[in-house]
Amino acid sequence: DVKVTQSSRYLVKRTGEKVFLECVQDMDHENMFWYRQDPGLGLRLIYFSYDVKMKEKGDIPEGYSVSREKKERFSLILESASTNQTSMYLCASSPTIRTDTQYFGPGTRLTVL
Amino acid sequence: GQQLNQSPQSMFIQEGEDVSMNCTSSSIFNTWLWYKQDPGEGPVLLIALYKAGELTSNGRLTAQFGITRKDSFLNISASIPSDVGIYFCAGETSGSRLTFGEGTQLTVNP
Repeated sequence: DVKVTQSSRYLVKRTGEKVFLECVQDMDHENMFWYRQDPGLGLRLIYFSYDVKMKEKGDIPEGYSVSREKKERFSLILESASTNQTSMYLCASSPTIRTDTQYFGPGTRLTVL
Repeated sequence: GQQLNQSPQSMFIQEGEDVSMNCTSSSIFNTWLWYKQDPGEGPVLLIALYKAGELTSNGRLTAQFGITRKDSFLNISASIPSDVGIYFCAGETSGSRLTFGEGTQLTVNP
């Protein structure tokens, strides 16, 4: 079974703090993704990575950065958290670039006060 | 960017009833996917559709890829309480990126 784990289920941070969201997959997948999920908006792609040290912007990258130093780990970084970044963050991994092979983690619900 | 309009936003049904939800877009998609998200979990792929007109079933679930490639529907027959969750459609155009619908929150009353 594919396992995608996210470091925290719930996180509360203050405005201006630097926030790290960690995602780890155990299936040696090349591709990893970060989405945010908001009510009424579905899932929106923030960043993705097709290989170690490689990253590409998704549809809403503003205010975020990512790091992929090892194949199994993909980190999402909020350099200076703002209240409009309060959301559910979902990580996914995939063995191919095909969109029908993405496996999602359980999500991190981030609240920025 | 592309947008998918998913409806209805929520549904409250009795156990045993059939359910239908759909997604429409002004853009053409090459692939349509349907996901279910259980409370506290990430989305899980239910059905994938790859060709216009394709009709695919997975147990009590049936989904179709619209002929125009701009829409898709998902039907659930004889609903049961464990069908509760949020259902998302997603379309792929190119570059292996997905555009997601807003989601349909399904509640099934026993």
